[in-house]
Order: sequence, then structure tokens, then C-alpha cells
Amino acid sequence: SQQGEEDPQALSIQEGENATMNCSYKTSINNLQWYRQNSGRGLVHLILIRSNEREKHSGRLRVTLDTSKKSSSLLITASRAADTASYFCATSRRGYQKVTFGIGTKLQVIP
Amino acid sequence: GAGVSQSPRYKVAKRGQDVALRCDPISGHVSLFWYQQALGQGPEFLTYFQNEAQLDKSGLPSDRFFAERPEGSVSTLKIQRTQQEDSAVYLCASSVAAGTGAGYGYGYTFGSGTRLTVV
Repeated sequence: SQQGEEDPQALSIQEGENATMNCSYKTSINNLQWYRQNSGRGLVHLILIRSNEREKHSGRLRVTLDTSKKSSSLLITASRAADTASYFCATSRRGYQKVTFGIGTKLQVIP
Repeated sequence: GAGVSQSPRYKVAKRGQDVALRCDPISGHVSLFWYQQALGQGPEFLTYFQNEAQLDKSGLPSDRFFAERPEGSVSTLKIQRTQQEDSAVYLCASSVAAGTGAGYGYGYTFGSGTRLTVV
């Protein structure tokens, strides 16, 4: 069963625009991670935000976390065609080693 | 090695056949995970190893699925008497972290997966 739900499930934007993806989850978490998956490939870890953090940046990525609303957002600024991929949020609960993935947002960046 | 290596990349099995999928994690990574990803879905947890100990196998869908990591490095996921519903990509991931809170401060490194098609 999947813990997170990404929204939207599909997103198409022009190169240079910003892309925002949202993730909602159900239980209390220890941390939340975002991953990217290119078609037919494994997942690449992008960024991890801990439950006591509210915002984190990495290059063109900005992640926010609102534990009161059990939601997170991933912002990709100045998107590029190479950002075309599926993006997944994954949550970790205290006391558990596994992370639980959402169903993903499919992002298409049109050159 | 530099990354997580999985083999084979593609496997076609006839229904009822046994298959074995291999994962070679990053050297020194304590934690190893197997996930199953159906088409258009997110990865679903199967099982977790800390070194050679299988600490969580709650995601294995049936007793036809078996995983091992006998020396705390390479892991094998075995599926017996494959069924069509087993068709999926099987992903392996490793992490240097262990203990409470999966990969606390660290993400997982995933392999490219094995795409299993049962015909």
C-alpha cells in the first residue's frame, strides 16, 4: 500500500517555466524524500527533508514540508527538457527502515 | 562498485518457472532493500536486510517470494512458480545507514532494476 499521493499525476510545461509537485501522506513521518525516475531506469535520490525542517534547497530544487497538513511540495525552477521524468515522494516512519513511495507525478518539459 | 548493480536487466519467464534476481549493492552499505514496481505505479516495499539479517519481509506478496543476503553483501530475490501478476520491475536499493529511521540523513541508491515479464 502506498503512503503518499502525488498531485498532479501528470504535468506538462514549457522549458524555462517552474514545475510544482505536491505530495500528501497519511501517518507521522521521520523524514520525506523525493526521487526522480527516468523512463526505464532506477530511481535517483534528489533531496531529503527531516520532520523538524520546513524548507530545503538543492540547486534548482526547493522542497517544503508541512507536518501539520501532512504534505510536501517539490519546486523545480527554470525547468529543462532533461527534467522530464517521473517524480516520487517517499516517507520514512520512526522505527521503520523502509520508505514508502507515492504513485508519482509524470513531468514533461517541452523544449 | 560505484553504484548498485542488478542482473539480469530483463528476464522473460514462462508461467510456473523459477527465477533468481541478483543485486550487488554499494560496497560497505549496511542496508539493502527490494522493491517491486508495477507499470505506472510507485515502488512497493518487499523486504529489508541489515547486513545478512532479514529484518523486515512484510512486503513479500506470497511464500513464492524468497530473498537472501548470506554474507551481507550480494542479495538474491527468488520467485518460485512465477505467475503473470509477478510481471514488474524489481528494484534493489542500498543505504549506508542503519538503525531507526530509514536512511536518516541519507537517501537510498537504487539499481536500474530487473524487468520481469511472465508469459
